Amino acid sequence: AQKVTQAQTEISVVEKEDVTLDCVYETRDTTYYLFWYKQPPSGELVFLIRRNSFDEQNEISGRYSWNFQKSTSSFNFTITASQVVDSAVYFCAHSMNRDDKIIFGKGTRLHILP
Amino acid sequence: EPEVTQTPSHQVTQMGQEVILRCVPISNHLYFYWYRQILGQKVEFLVSFYNNEISEKSEIFDDQFSVERPDGSNFTLKIRSTKLEDSAMYFCASTDGPDSPLHFGNGTRLTVT
Repeated sequence: AQKVTQAQTEISVVEKEDVTLDCVYETRDTTYYLFWYKQPPSGELVFLIRRNSFDEQNEISGRYSWNFQKSTSSFNFTITASQVVDSAVYFCAHSMNRDDKIIFGKGTRLHILP
Repeated sequence: EPEVTQTPSHQVTQMGQEVILRCVPISNHLYFYWYRQILGQKVEFLVSFYNNEISEKSEIFDDQFSVERPDGSNFTLKIRSTKLEDSAMYFCASTDGPDSPLHFGNGTRLTVT
């Protein structure tokens, strides 16, 4: 069965610090997709990244980076030099190959303190 | 950039009333979804829809729920007789294929009183 675990319920860091959000997934499939979504206080879901199981290359997009490790079934998300605008709930999610239903983790609420 | 549009942004209804939540997916998309998020909780899958029929539905999507694509642009979620526990944010999403990411609308906050 698919499962996504975000062990950190809530994190607070001071602005400009780096912060890593953890995500561990469970799947029996060899082909699958992993996602991160951001939900700011306004409530919408903002797509950040999608990664398929065959691509273990880490990705960097500005201050955001993602570390995909199949050996530990983890897909962690790091924000470098955090800013107050990064304050949001971040959801890690998973979908199986050719089954496009996305299963979300419970989310990590990130507070960036000025 | 095209986006998924949901209306209304907030709907208040009385318990037992029928409610219809509306969504306009991105125009060339073929796969449509509804998700629900009870306040402070995770986003939960309700139903997926492709080729004018339900592809998959979750346990939450019981007989009180239905979906419809009444024309070429709208995708609706109907709750026949709302309960207090239906109060949540409902997100519509669409994609042009299983290999593409989901695009979510901004959500409709449903409050059942």
